[in-house]
Amino acid sequence: GAVVSQHPSRVICKSGTSVKIECRSLDFQATTMFWYRQFPKQSLMLMATSNEGSKATYEQGVEKDKFLINHASLTLSTLTVTSAHPEDSSFYICSAKRQSSGNTIYFGEGSWLTVV
Amino acid sequence: KQEVTQIPAALSVPEGENLVLNCSFTDSAIYNLQWFRQDPGKGLTSLLLIQSSQREQTSGRLNASLDKSSGRSTLYIAASQPGDSATYLCAVSGDRGSTLGRLYFGRGTQLTVWP
Repeated sequence: GAVVSQHPSRVICKSGTSVKIECRSLDFQATTMFWYRQFPKQSLMLMATSNEGSKATYEQGVEKDKFLINHASLTLSTLTVTSAHPEDSSFYICSAKRQSSGNTIYFGEGSWLTVV
Repeated sequence: KQEVTQIPAALSVPEGENLVLNCSFTDSAIYNLQWFRQDPGKGLTSLLLIQSSQREQTSGRLNASLDKSSGRSTLYIAASQPGDSATYLCAVSGDRGSTLGRLYFGRGTQLTVWP
């Protein structure tokens, strides 16, 4: 079964609103989680590295004020897309690093965001 | 910066053929390499993971090889089936503290196997 749960799997929101996506590690503690974005027919691109108890590290070109990442516990990281616009419509997927098993990476199921 | 390239971008073959998908990466300082499968509108399914010290991994009809020094990996699919149709992604993980666990993905090879 899934060891990383991502929710919601699909969400439609109106332009200008904010939407939150959750990434949970179900049976292990993850001090580090990663958030990726995938546009149609494109590769997955890392948006940011989420570290428990500290600020996320954003990749170049990713607006930190628009894509808010909170990693308040060892099992939960959230990505909030603020003031969403149609161009933010994409597939967002998280991964969590399980240090207790040789830094194995587990991916969530992904979230499809459509901004209308 | 690590760059991952996958060739071909798309492949369409009849059922039963043996296939080779190619992946290359620019920085050989990797922790591991993974091959994923992605079905349309779905997340990622991990197929094979090769640690940097390994040369190949096998799972059923799939075999992946890794030549770290030359920055190449191949995914071999034997006796392809229509159910193998999907996009296959190659990803490498950095080996330094700040990059450990961060994956660099190729654009994928879109495979279609027709009956």
